[in-house]
Amino acid sequence: GQNIDQPTEMTATEGAIVQINCTYQTSGFNGLFWYQQHAGEAPTFLSYNVLDGLEEKGRFSSFLSRSKGYSYLLLKELQMKDSASYLCAVPIGLTGGGNKLTFGTGTQLKVEL
Amino acid sequence: DTEVTQTPKHLVMGMTNKKSLKCEQHMGHRAMYWYKQKAKKPPELMFVYSYEKLSINESVPSRFSPECPNSSLLNLHLHALQPEDSALYLCATSRDSGMPLHFGNGTRLTVT
Repeated sequence: GQNIDQPTEMTATEGAIVQINCTYQTSGFNGLFWYQQHAGEAPTFLSYNVLDGLEEKGRFSSFLSRSKGYSYLLLKELQMKDSASYLCAVPIGLTGGGNKLTFGTGTQLKVEL
Repeated sequence: DTEVTQTPKHLVMGMTNKKSLKCEQHMGHRAMYWYKQKAKKPPELMFVYSYEKLSINESVPSRFSPECPNSSLLNLHLHALQPEDSALYLCATSRDSGMPLHFGNGTRLTVT
């Protein structure tokens, strides 16, 4: 089975840095995804970590520690448009192709002036 | 612009109606998915198609019937739905196992 935990809500100030944590327990590991979802819209892919360490993509970075079952998403130079839900997700590969993606509950980030 | 197109964007249907949700992709992805998302909740997997064959049904009630006519199209046929089925229905695709999912913009369904 799988269990994925994230904080429910976070608030941060425009221009600041925020770290959104995710812990997971899964039988078998095929990497970890982060998605961003604005209200009423579809989730959009942010990052994929399969090896330990930090992956940087512009203002967003994602970190993975497989031994600790832990990941975080780091958002720098926060902008108002970063207010959204951030979903941690773990895939299980299917024999016939594709993956079964299980999402955490999501962290609702509110960026304030 | 999304590369996964869902129609309609909004749908209101009665409990005795029959309707269909449609999803189209031209990315050559071989896996396609239906997810259901309620407000303030994460998406929940309903069905997975791999190479046009149903590979996962997450114990979804039979009033939801998926169909994959070809590698570019995915339908979700709806019949005798309940008000609690009102939700955002998301279609997604992926190239293969372990690859990122690409979501469509969803169909906002309201059952009256």
